[in-house]
Amino acid sequence: AQTVTQSQPEMSVQEAETVTLSCTYDTSESDYYLFWYKQPPSRQMILVIRQEAYKQQNATENRFSVNFQKAAKSFSLKISDSQLGDAAMYFCAYSRGPGGSEKLVFGKGTKLTVNP
Amino acid sequence: GAGVSQTPSNKVTEKGKYVELRCDPISGHTALYWYRQSLGQGPEFLIYFQGTGAADDSGLPNDRFFAVRPEGSVSTLKIQRTERGDSAVYLCASSATGGISGNTIYFGEGSWLTVV
Repeated sequence: AQTVTQSQPEMSVQEAETVTLSCTYDTSESDYYLFWYKQPPSRQMILVIRQEAYKQQNATENRFSVNFQKAAKSFSLKISDSQLGDAAMYFCAYSRGPGGSEKLVFGKGTKLTVNP
Repeated sequence: GAGVSQTPSNKVTEKGKYVELRCDPISGHTALYWYRQSLGQGPEFLIYFQGTGAADDSGLPNDRFFAVRPEGSVSTLKIQRTERGDSAVYLCASSATGGISGNTIYFGEGSWLTVV
């Protein structure tokens, strides 16, 4: 079974600084998707960024970027120029590729605090 | 509607009682998902609907849990003979087709169930 591990229960960063959240996963599949979701206190999960495993180029979305290392099964999220609104729980998630189950497998999350 | 709507937002019930949780997906979305998020954990997949049918119900923990989507829009998650271990946030999500294959999955704010 696929598993997702987030080894940092909590992280903190100063406003305007950069922080990196770690994620590793285990799968025997060659084609799959990886995601980072943000969950503020409202509980709503919000997609931050996604990466297709077949793409070598790391995904970027404005201040958010990933470092995808397929051989190492590592998928870290870098948040640049951190803002107070970035404070939330961040979850790394995995899904099998096309033709597989649509379900997401989540890690346990990292709580990010942004200090003014 | 504008987003995925879940009712009730909070529910407290006594052990052994029956509970229904409702999800109203984004209009036109054919795919609908239920996840369960226990305290301090990431969401865990329960069931995935494509239209009216359950395409994958492998995450339902036991036969006390059941979900329906009779007309391909609103879905109800039903929990019989509730136990204290069922206490969690139940998250619903929807996507235009299958989220992983191309479309973003949108989550609701969840229904927080407490069994006393």
